[in-house]
Amino acid sequence: GDSVTQMEGPVTLSEEAFLTINCTYTATGYPSLFWYVQYPGEGLQLLLKATKADDKGSNKGFEATYRKETTSFHLEKGSVQVSDSAVYFCALSDQGYSTLTFGKGTMLLVSP
Amino acid sequence: DADVTQTPRNRITKTGKRIMLECSQTKGHDRMYWYRQDPGLGLQLIYYSFDVKDINKGEISDGYSVSRQAQAKFSLSLESAIPNQTALYFCATSDTDGLDNEQFFGPGTRLTVL
Repeated sequence: GDSVTQMEGPVTLSEEAFLTINCTYTATGYPSLFWYVQYPGEGLQLLLKATKADDKGSNKGFEATYRKETTSFHLEKGSVQVSDSAVYFCALSDQGYSTLTFGKGTMLLVSP
Repeated sequence: DADVTQTPRNRITKTGKRIMLECSQTKGHDRMYWYRQDPGLGLQLIYYSFDVKDINKGEISDGYSVSRQAQAKFSLSLESAIPNQTALYFCATSDTDGLDNEQFFGPGTRLTVL
């Protein structure tokens, strides 16, 4: 079945540092890929998405590129802020667009 | 007002009790989902519904049941709660016509079973 693997956290960075959170997936066919973010005490919200190979999703300074050849969708940001501290989830949606499969989440902690 | 609401937000109960968690949405979406979140395990799908007459089991449905009372309401029940059902529960919705199944989440219900 489908699966998503993302790097374990917590990832601890200083403000303005570069961020990479790795995500790889296993799926039949050509899934859509997502990054969701969960701020403390809140539900998940969509951060960015990509629906086909080589697409780049971007939002709030975060980017991720759908790499079919490496089955990856790594999240990057050039300069993190304290307000980016949250848990980040990589997810995929199968070809039938029925359900999402989530990774286990990566906690990001950014210090001033 | 929030588009996806969950009640209660927090609940403490005892082993063996019946518990119902409720979810309501004003987004007009057909699809609704229930997940549980445990530390280090991410989100696991419990049940999902594509319309009022369609209910499907997710990966961890044992010990849970659901009811889709209307397009806007989807309830999760624990018939006889046990301590390992202590978790954070999320409801989510998505639009049938969405090409990429973006889901919109409620704020969560923290359930503790003693």
